Amino acid sequence: GDSVTQMEGPVTLSEEAFLTINCTYTATGYPSLFWYVQYPGEGLQLLLKATKADDKGSNKGFEATYRKETTSFHLEKGSVQVSDSAVYFCALILGQGGSEKLVFGKGTKLTVNP
Amino acid sequence: NAGVMQNPRHLVRRRGQEARLRCSPMKGHSHVYWYRQLPEEGLKFMVYLQKENIIDESGMPKERFSAEFPKEGPSILRIQQVVRGDSAAYFCASSRASQGRGNEQFFGPGTRLTVL
Repeated sequence: GDSVTQMEGPVTLSEEAFLTINCTYTATGYPSLFWYVQYPGEGLQLLLKATKADDKGSNKGFEATYRKETTSFHLEKGSVQVSDSAVYFCALILGQGGSEKLVFGKGTKLTVNP
Repeated sequence: NAGVMQNPRHLVRRRGQEARLRCSPMKGHSHVYWYRQLPEEGLKFMVYLQKENIIDESGMPKERFSAEFPKEGPSILRIQQVVRGDSAAYFCASSRASQGRGNEQFFGPGTRLTVL
């Protein structure tokens, strides 16, 4: 079945460090790919998305590129801030058969220390 | 411009009781999704509804769980005869009418259910 595998956490970085969170997927079709962020005690917020191969999603300094050849959608940020501390979820949607259910990875908890 | 609203935020039930979780989608959104997040797990899809219709319930347990999205009022996720394994965070999301893949789903803050 369709699935998302992302780097297990927790990840702890110092402020201004470079961030990479790996995400790979398995899907029978051509999914759209997403990164969601969950701050403590809150719901999920869409961080960025890409709907076709080679698309790059970007937002708030975060980037991820849809790589069909490696079935990956790794999240990167050049310089993290304390306020980036949260749980990050990689997800896909196939949208086949009328349903647009999101399939999520398990999440990666990021802590950024000052 | 309220976002997706869920209530209650926290719900405590004893084994065998019923739990009712409510979700009001964003204004203008006609699609509702329910997801469950078990401890140390990612979110798992449960059910996708449009007004008065269940579109996809492939993630719903076959027994004790039901969902509705009536013409008027919030969407309700109902869990009958709760067991300890139902303890989880339940998230609702909503979106506009489908415009193809990648339609953004907006999430509520979740209801954290604890079964004693």
